[in-house]
Amino acid sequence: DAGVIQSPRHEVTEMGQEVTLRCKPISGHDYLFWYRQTMMRGLELLIYFNNNVPIDDSGMPEDRFSAKMPNASFSTLKIQPSEPRDSAVYFCASSYPDQPQHFGDGTRLSIL
Amino acid sequence: AQKITQTQPGMFVQEKEAVTLDCTYDTSDPSYGLFWYKQPSSGEMIFLIYQGSYDQQNATEGRYSLNFQKARKSANLVISASQLGDSAMYFCAMREGRWGFKTIFGAGTRLFVKA
Repeated sequence: DAGVIQSPRHEVTEMGQEVTLRCKPISGHDYLFWYRQTMMRGLELLIYFNNNVPIDDSGMPEDRFSAKMPNASFSTLKIQPSEPRDSAVYFCASSYPDQPQHFGDGTRLSIL
Repeated sequence: AQKITQTQPGMFVQEKEAVTLDCTYDTSDPSYGLFWYKQPSSGEMIFLIYQGSYDQQNATEGRYSLNFQKARKSANLVISASQLGDSAMYFCAMREGRWGFKTIFGAGTRLFVKA
């Protein structure tokens, strides 16, 4: 079975540019999660969706961040405009209800 | 508020020995789930083991077992017969509420397995 697929694996861009991270969850999973991992703050939940509907976005750091899930097999996390402090590894995860989350391999984002 | 505490930033263990990674949690919700994940140097997050708050038995998965002490609010991971490939970061996490999915992760413990 295919796992959670994230793209790109690495992204390097200049500050001020728009960044779009993509995620394809495991087929059939009802829940999709976006996390950010940094040395300073560890692993933080940014937002999660249930059946394509955003349920809790309280972890989204500010208005520069937005996430969408237009259908059950695709989600995006967008940063506009990007800043150097957004540099981190961004993980997408998906799960069935009341089951462990399965993580993608992450996107390593560097904002110069 | 949810809280997960992993007090061991780093640990060493000799190959083939057992090791316990500590995790304590704090919640007022009677229904919650506890997870352990492994993150090797390659960066991926690998699910290891799950314990539900109502589960009567401690969870086991191969060489991994979860020492669940509900009254003490601890959920320690025990790795038996350590292998060199077990060297990684280990994260404890908690999901509060049966249908809530906001999951909080601890700061992690880096495990080094010595040959």
